[in-house]
Formats: sequence, structure tokens, C-alpha cells
Amino acid sequence: NAGVTQTPKFQVLKTGQSMTLQCAQDMNHEYMSWYRQDPGMGLRLIHYSVGAGITDQGEVPNGYNVSRSTTEDFPLRLLSAAPSQTSVYFCASSSHLWGNTIYFGEGSWLTVV
Amino acid sequence: QKEVEQDPGPLSVPEGAIVSLNCTYSNSAFQYFMWYRQYSRKGPELLMYTYSSGNKEDGRFTAQVDKSSKYISLFIRDSQPSDSATYLCAMSALTDSWGKLQFGAGTQVVVTP
Repeated sequence: NAGVTQTPKFQVLKTGQSMTLQCAQDMNHEYMSWYRQDPGMGLRLIHYSVGAGITDQGEVPNGYNVSRSTTEDFPLRLLSAAPSQTSVYFCASSSHLWGNTIYFGEGSWLTVV
Repeated sequence: QKEVEQDPGPLSVPEGAIVSLNCTYSNSAFQYFMWYRQYSRKGPELLMYTYSSGNKEDGRFTAQVDKSSKYISLFIRDSQPSDSATYLCAMSALTDSWGKLQFGAGTQVVVTP
């Protein structure tokens, strides 16, 4: 049981480049989310999805796009990378039922130079 | 002002001591309260969750919620060096999904042998 799998684990981008962070879960969870973690800021929600074909913005959505074509996958796209997007990104998934655990991936470390 | 405030620490305690962590929040709609543990370069893992006010105990961990004061606490008894990690509080309103959380900045805990 792999849980939540994120790729890549480390990435260096140049300003203006685009890239996609991949997230896959094998638990048939309805909910999937992307968070970014910055020093002193905790985790902040970027985008989330309550099921295939349904996405919504979180607290810090600017500069990021998501789509949810399948239950298993929830990729995060950086359209034109900026140094302010240097961060650690975590994907999470959970069942829709309250009280069930939210599972986080291992994180993706992104540096934009 | 952040909706959830948490002292970043670091909090250093000797092995066997009680670790006391807390968060304050401003949104009275928050009903679900969680504590996550995050080891260095890893994703957060759920330790405990509580609904509304009250106490919850699980082994060496006790979570308390005081909604009248908008204050939550986590106590770790008989602390071990393996408890050294960053502890994040998180919370959510009843109307929000389980995948849409507001996190504190996290408190770094160091338990010295």
C-alpha cells in the first residue's frame, strides 16, 4: 500500500519555467489537497478537490493550476515559476467522512532561481 | 492576523518531562481540532483529533480543547527522544471539508536524553 506518492522529491527551476508536481493516491479517497509549507507560516492550502472533475481554490492559489481527471491523481501545475514559489509542497488525501485520517505525501522540495 | 497562532519554539525538554504545546485561534466556527507530528523532511502525520470542546487521551498524548477561550493544547507525558519533531495544530469548520485545514506555524520540540 503506497499511500500518497509525490514526484519529484527535489526540483530546481529557473524563473519563468513551468512544471508539474505529481500526486497519486491508492486509497480511493475522494478528497485531495495541495499545501505549501514555508518557515514560520505552517501549511497553507493551495487547491483542493472533493472528487474527480471538481476542484476549488484554497488560501494561496495564485500561480498554480490543478485538475482532477481521475480519483487517484491530482497534479499541481506551476504556470510560470517565481522565486516566491520556492517552498516545500505537500499533497494530501482523505475520505470524505469526518474523523478519518488525512494522509500526507513525503513532500516535494522546489527551488526557483 | 493569522487565524491560528502557534509559538514556533524551539521547546527543549529533558527526557521524561511533560511537553506542553498550545495554539490559539480566532475563528469561532472551528469545530474540528487536530495535532500533527512532522519529522524533519517528512510529511505531517495525524496524532490526534477532537471534535468541539473537551479532552481526549491516547497513550502518552492528551489533547484539550477550550472553545470558550479559543485555545487548544497537546500534552506529551514521559517524553522520549523519538518525540523530537515539529508539532502542528490544525483546525477546520464544520462546513469545510476534511481536506481544508487551517494550520498553525508548528512548534519544534527537542527532547534531550
